[in-house]
Amino acid sequence: DQQVKQNSPSLSVQEGRISILNCDYTNSMFDYFLWYKKYPAEGPTFLISISSIKDKNEDGRFTVFLNKSAKHLSLHIVPSQPGDSAVYFCAAHGGTSYGKLTFGQGTILTVHP
Amino acid sequence: SQTIHQWPATLVQPVGSPLSLECTVEGTSNPNLYWYRQAAGRGLQLLFYSVGIGQISSEVPQNLSASRPQDRQFILSSKKLLLSDSGFYLCAWIDGTGGVEQYFGPGTRLTVT
Repeated sequence: DQQVKQNSPSLSVQEGRISILNCDYTNSMFDYFLWYKKYPAEGPTFLISISSIKDKNEDGRFTVFLNKSAKHLSLHIVPSQPGDSAVYFCAAHGGTSYGKLTFGQGTILTVHP
Repeated sequence: SQTIHQWPATLVQPVGSPLSLECTVEGTSNPNLYWYRQAAGRGLQLLFYSVGIGQISSEVPQNLSASRPQDRQFILSSKKLLLSDSGFYLCAWIDGTGGVEQYFGPGTRLTVT
């Protein structure tokens, strides 16, 4: 039972345009959502998060939107840069204890110059 | 500032051999610690987590075990490796005060031959 799903395995975007990465979840007990960025052969790095009581959080070029009724969140990157090319994971917290996160399968973002 | 270390960075082991991967965290006390595995083309699978010395919880039945002999040390082990144990192993931590963002180490690439 996959509680967090990223249905797009890959996304290709032109430099300067907007990248939109999507994530769906099933567990209504999740109370916090996070996005991580991962380069090959490195550990994921934390990007941005959002509490379930909010619907938007912005940090520079990165904005996360949460639609609780649809159990859907998205990460917007504007403008996209070639250095943003990486695997992006969404993760959800809650529904369990001890700070455990449930991760999606990841989306490979490629930003073309 | 906090730092997380993992070693070795890469490892090639024959089937049936033992395994020991080590993770240490600096600059924090009483962290929650986590072991994840990323199989080729897959997402992050939580293997074990620990909220304190000697306290280990297993998420997935498997050929691996974990131990936490010291507050900031987390070890992943196996007595006999299987081919299916190949993957990228990641250690992560959060402080024990209620934060949700997990911070990851650089990872270990394990290839079982």
